[in-house]
Order: sequence, then structure tokens, then C-alpha cells
Amino acid sequence: DQQVKQNSPSLSVQEGRISILNCDYTNSMFDYFLWYKKYPAEGPTFLISISSIKDKNEDGRFTVFLNKSAKHLSLHIVPSQPGDSAVYFCAASAWAGNMLTFGGGTRLMVKP
Amino acid sequence: DAGITQSPRHKVTETGTPVTLRCHQTENHRYMYWYRQDPGHGLRLIHYSYGVKDTDKGEVSDGYSVSRSKTEDFLLTLESATSSQTSVYFCAINYRGLSYEQYFGPGTRLTVT
Repeated sequence: DQQVKQNSPSLSVQEGRISILNCDYTNSMFDYFLWYKKYPAEGPTFLISISSIKDKNEDGRFTVFLNKSAKHLSLHIVPSQPGDSAVYFCAASAWAGNMLTFGGGTRLMVKP
Repeated sequence: DAGITQSPRHKVTETGTPVTLRCHQTENHRYMYWYRQDPGHGLRLIHYSYGVKDTDKGEVSDGYSVSRSKTEDFLLTLESATSSQTSVYFCAINYRGLSYEQYFGPGTRLTVT
């Protein structure tokens, strides 16, 4: 059973609008959450993260929100740009140095 | 740039043959990981290492072995490749010592025919 799920395999957004990517998890031991961005034929690139003691973390156009009671996190990209078109993976970890457990990914397409 | 390289970048092999993938890092990071990426599954951990000669199994370790005789190299071996091992393989490191964030290499696309 997947412990981290991204229920939307794809998302299409107009340039300049907000992109919202969602992620759900089931394991209460996870205490750190990360988002990775992946372009074709490249490795995943770390984007932004959040500790379980916070409910929001912001970095430029990217904001991650964490709702622990719902076991849900989301990534907001504002404004969306065509260069943001990629596959986004949500990941979770129970302790530093531990494995990352990934969701299945969401393909974001930002249309000009 | 986390200084991770993987070789080969692409490989086609036949069922039943042994295959070794190499991950090389240049900055003496202690923790190294091997993941595979498959559609709908994201990335799944195969094996990881927390130092020279110290390795452990991950979520999908069956059919794989690893070795780490030097800090900079982490090898993944498919003893007898099967078609179910057709995948993209990524190596990762913990860039800042013991941290949550992992940084990934460019990947190796392996096709088993």
C-alpha cells in the first residue's frame, strides 16, 4: 500500500495563474516532507521542504502547506511559468538520513 | 552541483545477464542511495549505504546487490537481469551530512530484453 499518494497524475494551468499540486500520506511517523521537480532525462531536483512542526514554508514563487491532521500537503506555484512544466514528486521521511518515500508524481503543464 | 555521476547512462542487456551500475560522487558524502523510477510508483529505494562497507536493504531490494568499497563509489548489481528490472535508476546522496534532503544523479536507463 502506497504511503504517499499524489492522486492527480496530471495538471494543466495557464501561464501566470496558480498551480496547486496535492499529496496525501498515511504514515504518522513521517516528520519531514519534500517536493522534487523532474525534467525528462534528468534526475529529480530538490525544490522545497517542510518540517512537521510547521504548517507553511515559502521560497519565492513556491509555497508548501502542511495539514498534519488531514495528512495532506500541497505545493503552490504562483505565478506559474512555462519553465515550471515538469513532473513533481512529493516525498516524505521519518528521520534524517532515512529513505525518502515518494508519491507517484504529477505532471504539470503550464501553457503560454 | 552535488557532484554525482552515474555510468552508464543508457544500457540494453539481455535477460539473465549480470549488470553493474556505478554511482560516483566527488565530495566524500557518507550516505548514498539507489532508487528505481517506474511509472505510477515514483521512486522506490533499492539499497542504501551509510559508509564504506556499510549497506542495507530498501523497499525493493530483491534481485539487487550493492557494494561500497570506497567512499566515492556505490555500485548496484543485478545478478541476473529480468525484464521487470527495466527501469530508470537514480543514485542519490545526502548533500549536507545527516539531513533529510537528498540530491540525485542524472540516472541510468536500463532496458532488459
